[in-house]
Amino acid sequence: DAGVIQSPRHEVTEMGQEVTLRCKPISGHDYLFWYRQTMMRGLELLIYFNNNVPIDDSGMPEDRFSAKMPNASFSTLKIQPSEPRDSAVYFCASSLWVRGRTTEAFFGQGTRLTVV
Amino acid sequence: DQQVKQNSPSLSVQEGRISILNCDYTNSMFDYFLWYKKYPAEGPTFLISISSIKDKNEDGRFTVFLNKSAKHLSLHIVPSQPGDSAVYFCAASVRGGADGLTFGKGTHLIIQP
Repeated sequence: DAGVIQSPRHEVTEMGQEVTLRCKPISGHDYLFWYRQTMMRGLELLIYFNNNVPIDDSGMPEDRFSAKMPNASFSTLKIQPSEPRDSAVYFCASSLWVRGRTTEAFFGQGTRLTVV
Repeated sequence: DQQVKQNSPSLSVQEGRISILNCDYTNSMFDYFLWYKKYPAEGPTFLISISSIKDKNEDGRFTVFLNKSAKHLSLHIVPSQPGDSAVYFCAASVRGGADGLTFGKGTHLIIQP
């Protein structure tokens, strides 16, 4: 398996524009997580899905952020409209539930978002 | 409120010596702890984990110790190698990881030749 695949790797956009980040989890994994890394807050969980269903989105900072998982092999994180403070590295991760706990989460390489 | 704390932003160790990275947590509901390693421009990669029912787990040069009464865990790397230079994140979860991970802010380990 190629691992968790995120696209694009880098995104530069102007304030007010819509941004869509994409993630393909590892095949067979039933959990998908979106994290954001900033200098101030470190790595923080934004939202996660189990079997394509959003379970907890309490980490999503504002209504400008939304995430979907239309099928087991694809998820998107959308920011509309984007603001400079959204600049960060966004990571997608996936894991599998096995014998009472998840396996370790496997992370993608991240999308570095810059909003100017 | 930071539930997982790594109080040393950086640590410098000589090649061949032991590296000890520390992590403290506040949430007594955490039942699963992990260490991740991260190189620049890459995603975190899993290193080693420990369940709350254990106090030690070993994998090659890496050993994780858990002290539940002190709410403290540590990662030992013996011997340290130049390729170990990276940022190390401590992470914790409830429900065996099903609710996602809470991360510390990381410790930058530098292995000196």
